[in-house]
Amino acid sequence: AQSVTQLDSQVPVFEEAPVELRCNYSSSVSVYLFWYVQYPNQGLQLLLKYLSGSTLVKGINGFEAEFNKSQTSFHLRKPSVHISDTAEYFCAVTPMDSSYKLIFGSGTRLLVRP
Amino acid sequence: EAQVTQNPRYLITVTGKKLTVTCSQNMNHEYMSWYRQDPGLGLRQIYYSMNVEVTDKGDVPEGYKVSRKEKRNFPLILESPSPNQTSLYFCASSPPGGMGTQYFGPGTRLLVL
Repeated sequence: AQSVTQLDSQVPVFEEAPVELRCNYSSSVSVYLFWYVQYPNQGLQLLLKYLSGSTLVKGINGFEAEFNKSQTSFHLRKPSVHISDTAEYFCAVTPMDSSYKLIFGSGTRLLVRP
Repeated sequence: EAQVTQNPRYLITVTGKKLTVTCSQNMNHEYMSWYRQDPGLGLRQIYYSMNVEVTDKGDVPEGYKVSRKEKRNFPLILESPSPNQTSLYFCASSPPGGMGTQYFGPGTRLLVL
């Protein structure tokens, strides 16, 4: 079985400051990893994903994430946030041998203040 | 435009009154799924379908039904809604070999009184 932990339920940050949203996972099998973003009153959209290869992956809107297998982490980072980045961010995993089932973390609400 | 649509977007109902939330995708995806989103719990899968006439339970299927008679449609049925089914519901679809990449609808916010 798989599980995903996002320890920070809310992260307040000032505009133009850097941010890191933390994600740790647990799995007995190899997984693909994802970050999805949910803007207010919208559905989720894919921000970035790690399937294989380079452990540093870049996504849309200047976000990037680094896969760390030894620490079973997939933290999301952005060097300088904008007000428009205010949203809820979900980390998710899917087993490589059954890659249709997404297991989500509880989400982190990023609140960017002017 | 490639998209997943859901209707209605908002629904208030009373306990026991059967309802259906529709989901449709125009991307010819084989895989479709329903999730519910609750505060502090993230998204949990209710049911999924690998193809027409093939459906299976997710993690929280109790109180829900689904059907997949056509590739593009995947309705969620609540035969006798209860207040604990008050939630935000998302439909999603994925292409073959999508490797976890799913396309989500805009969500349906349901309140059961």
